[in-house]
Amino acid sequence: NAGVTQTPKFQVLKTGQSMTLQCAQDMNHEYMSWYRQDPGMGLRLIHYSVGAGITDQGEVPNGYNVSRSTTEDFPLRLLSAAPSQTSVYFCATTGGYEQYFGPGTRLTVT
Amino acid sequence: KQEVTQIPAALSVPEGENLVLNCSFTDSAIYNLQWFRQDPGKGLTSLLLIQSSQREQTSGRLNASLDKSSGRSTLYIAASQPGDSATYLCAVRHQNSNSGYALNFGKGTSLLVTP
Repeated sequence: NAGVTQTPKFQVLKTGQSMTLQCAQDMNHEYMSWYRQDPGMGLRLIHYSVGAGITDQGEVPNGYNVSRSTTEDFPLRLLSAAPSQTSVYFCATTGGYEQYFGPGTRLTVT
Repeated sequence: KQEVTQIPAALSVPEGENLVLNCSFTDSAIYNLQWFRQDPGKGLTSLLLIQSSQREQTSGRLNASLDKSSGRSTLYIAASQPGDSATYLCAVRHQNSNSGYALNFGKGTSLLVTP
């Protein structure tokens, strides 16, 4: 039982490049979400999903895209990377009470 | 919007001391409150979850309390150890959030326990 997994752990992109951050959970939870963590800002919600086929925007959705085709997977796509997207990205899931977080992806955009 | 504040931002104590970390939130209509631990460069580890109907939760040397009416929670760490050094995050889930089960996070308290 791996819980929440994220790949890659580290990534360096050039401005304008696109990429997908992967998130998978084996807890059979309907709700999944993506946060970014920046120094001095705390964690902020990017997008979330309440089930397969249903996604919605959080607090800071600009520049990101998500889809949810299965219960297990919730990828986050950066359409055209910008230096402002340099951050640590966390995926999370919950069955209704406690939230469980993945180990994070550290992304640098140059 | 729910604002979550953690005080102090940083704390350094000698090993063996008991300590209290504070968390306050502006909207008392919460569903639950969760305390996390984050080690440098790592993910978030859940420590304690308090439902809105509860006053406190305990796990080992950790005790978290919740006073919903005053918008406050405290995390009490007894007999601190160097291994407790980490950043502690407080997060609140709003009762009627329009973001599902999303959490509002404080900025954390960075704790250093010196031998």
